[in-house]
Amino acid sequence: AQSVTQPDIHITVSEGASLELRCNYSYGATPYLFWYVQSPGQGLQLLLKYFSGDTLVQGIKGFEAEFKRRPSSFNRRKPSVHWSDAAEYFCAVGAPGSARQLTFGSGTQLTVLP
Amino acid sequence: ETGVTQTPRHLVMGMTNKKSLKCEQHLGHNAMYWYKQSAKKPLELMFVYSLEERVENNSVPSRFSPECPNSSHLFLHLHTLQPEDSALYLCASSQESTGFSGNTIYFGEGSWLTVV
Repeated sequence: AQSVTQPDIHITVSEGASLELRCNYSYGATPYLFWYVQSPGQGLQLLLKYFSGDTLVQGIKGFEAEFKRRPSSFNRRKPSVHWSDAAEYFCAVGAPGSARQLTFGSGTQLTVLP
Repeated sequence: ETGVTQTPRHLVMGMTNKKSLKCEQHLGHNAMYWYKQSAKKPLELMFVYSLEERVENNSVPSRFSPECPNSSHLFLHLHTLQPEDSALYLCASSQESTGFSGNTIYFGEGSWLTVV
């Protein structure tokens, strides 16, 4: 069974600083990997996803993520954070061919200081 | 506008009440899901419906009863809930064939449930 861990519960950065959100996954083969964002009182919005091919994935709002096998990670980066990026971010892993769909991490809450 | 609409957005109910959460998707998808989001815990998949048939039930207590009358609508019927059932309940949909093909899952904004 797949699993996903987000080691950082809360991250605080200053506006304009760079950001990396960590995501570690466990799966026997190449999984499907996703990053979602949730603003307060809202549902989840997809930021980017990885299925195969180029290991560097570009998403919306200037974010990118890199798929790695060893160690098994799908960390998300942004070179310059904006105040509007403050939200909770969830990494998720899906097993190809499984009806169980996605397994989510516990999330990372991002605070952006002016 | 996410394409997945949930009502009500907020619900307060007593432990002896019966209520329902409603979800409607306007995306033409053939799979729908209920997730539970509790504070400090990862999202938990509760139910999956594909082509209106339930294909996944993650050991959810029987006090939660899903219903999928057609591919656009999904309900979660609630009865004799406990205070620990208070959470954000998220509905989602996607277009799938057999099994999970990794298509994007679209989420609604959720229904905040408080059990008193």
